[in-house]
Amino acid sequence: TQTVSQSDAHVTVFEGDSVELRCNYSYGGSIYLSWYIQHHGRGLQFLLKYYSGNPVVQGVNGFEAEFSKSDSSFHLRKASVHWSDSAVYFCAVSAWGAGNKLTFGIGTRVLVRP
Amino acid sequence: GGIITQTPKFLIGQEGQKLTLKCQQNFNHDTMYWYRQDSGKGLRLIYYSITENDLQKGDLSEGYDASREKKSSFSLTVTSAQKNEMAVFLCASSIIQGAIAEQFFGPGTRLTVL
Repeated sequence: TQTVSQSDAHVTVFEGDSVELRCNYSYGGSIYLSWYIQHHGRGLQFLLKYYSGNPVVQGVNGFEAEFSKSDSSFHLRKASVHWSDSAVYFCAVSAWGAGNKLTFGIGTRVLVRP
Repeated sequence: GGIITQTPKFLIGQEGQKLTLKCQQNFNHDTMYWYRQDSGKGLRLIYYSITENDLQKGDLSEGYDASREKKSSFSLTVTSAQKNEMAVFLCASSIIQGAIAEQFFGPGTRLTVL
C-alpha cells in the first residue's frame, strides 16, 4: 500500500517569492506521482506528473517538481508566485497496475500575500 | 475540451435519509471516480468504475452505493445520512493509459446533514 505525506498544512508567502511544497511517499515498487491544485470552492486541477525519465518535470503556470528516489520525495516548486496561486495543493501517488487509483495527501494550503 | 457536471451543487439532508449525487462527463473517458473530501483529511476514494457497468470499491465504500448507468454518468448514493455530517463529494474521470492518466474533476457537491 502506498502512502503520501505533505508535512506543511499551511504556507504563507509574498507575491514574487519562491515557494516549495513538500511531498514524501512510501511504496516499494514503481510509482506514479502527481500534483493537483484546488482553488476555493472548485474541483481539483492537474498540475504535473512524473513516472520515469528526467526527475525534474515542468507543469502549468511555472510550476515544476523534482522526484528523488533516495528521499522518496516529489517536492513542488515555483520561482515567483502570483496572488492567483493561493489555493490548496495536493500531492498524489499511484502504484503501477493499481487501475489509476490515486492516494492523495491531506493538502497544503498556500496563501500568497500582496 | 470537456466538462464534468455534478448535481446538485448543494445538498441538505436529514439524518437517516437516502441521498443521491449525480455526475456527468463529456470527455468520453472510460473511468470515473467518487471521492469524499473532509477538511484536513484530503481526498478519500469511495467508489470507482473502470468502464460502463463496472464497479469497484474504494477505501471508504461503507455507507455508500454507486451506479455506472452509462459511460458518461456515475451516481453515488449515501445510504443513510449521518447527523451533522458535512463533506464535499468530488467526481472525477480519466482515460486509461497503462496505469497513468490525469484525472479531471468536477466542482463538487457539498453535503450538509441536519
